[in-house]
Amino acid sequence: AQTVTQSQPEMSVQEAETVTLSCTYDTSENNYYLFWYKQPPSRQMILVIRQEAYKQQNATENRFSVNFQKAAKSFSLKISDSQLGDTAMYFCAFVDHNNNDMRFGAGTRLTVKP
Amino acid sequence: DTAVSQTPKYLVTQMGNDKSIKCEQNLGHDTMYWYKQDSKKFLKIMFSYNNKELIINETVPNRFSPKSPDKAHLNLHINSLELGDSAVYFCASSQDWDEKLFFGSGTQLSVL
Repeated sequence: AQTVTQSQPEMSVQEAETVTLSCTYDTSENNYYLFWYKQPPSRQMILVIRQEAYKQQNATENRFSVNFQKAAKSFSLKISDSQLGDTAMYFCAFVDHNNNDMRFGAGTRLTVKP
Repeated sequence: DTAVSQTPKYLVTQMGNDKSIKCEQNLGHDTMYWYKQDSKKFLKIMFSYNNKELIINETVPNRFSPKSPDKAHLNLHINSLELGDSAVYFCASSQDWDEKLFFGSGTQLSVL
């Protein structure tokens, strides 16, 4: 079974600084996709970024970028110029063509401090 | 318009009762899901429906049953509620397995 591991239960960062959230996964598949979701206190799940495993280029979305290391099965999220509104739970997620169900890591609670 | 809507947002009930949570998506997606988020925020998939057929059934108690009257709806019925069922339940949908999930706003279920 595929597993997704987020080893940092909580992190904090000063406003305007950069923070990196780590995620590792375990799979024997070659065709899969990785995601980062954000869950602010409102409880709504919001997609942050999506990465195709077959693409070597790291995905970026404005201040959010990933460091995708396929051989190491690592998929970290970098948030640049952190803003107070980035305070949320962040979930790493994985899905492959065999299982068709998205699996989530345990989450990292990020606090951005003013 | 809300893409994935689920009702109610909050549900407080007694042990042993039967309850339902409704979910509707207006995105025309083929697959809908139910996830459970426990008190530690861990998200676990419960069910997924593709074109009205159950394609994933995780090891959840058979007190939980998904019902899909049509492609746009996936309701969750829970019989004989237990204290451990207290959690936030999320409905979601996607166009294909490799596409992002669109989530509802969640239903916080409290069993007393």
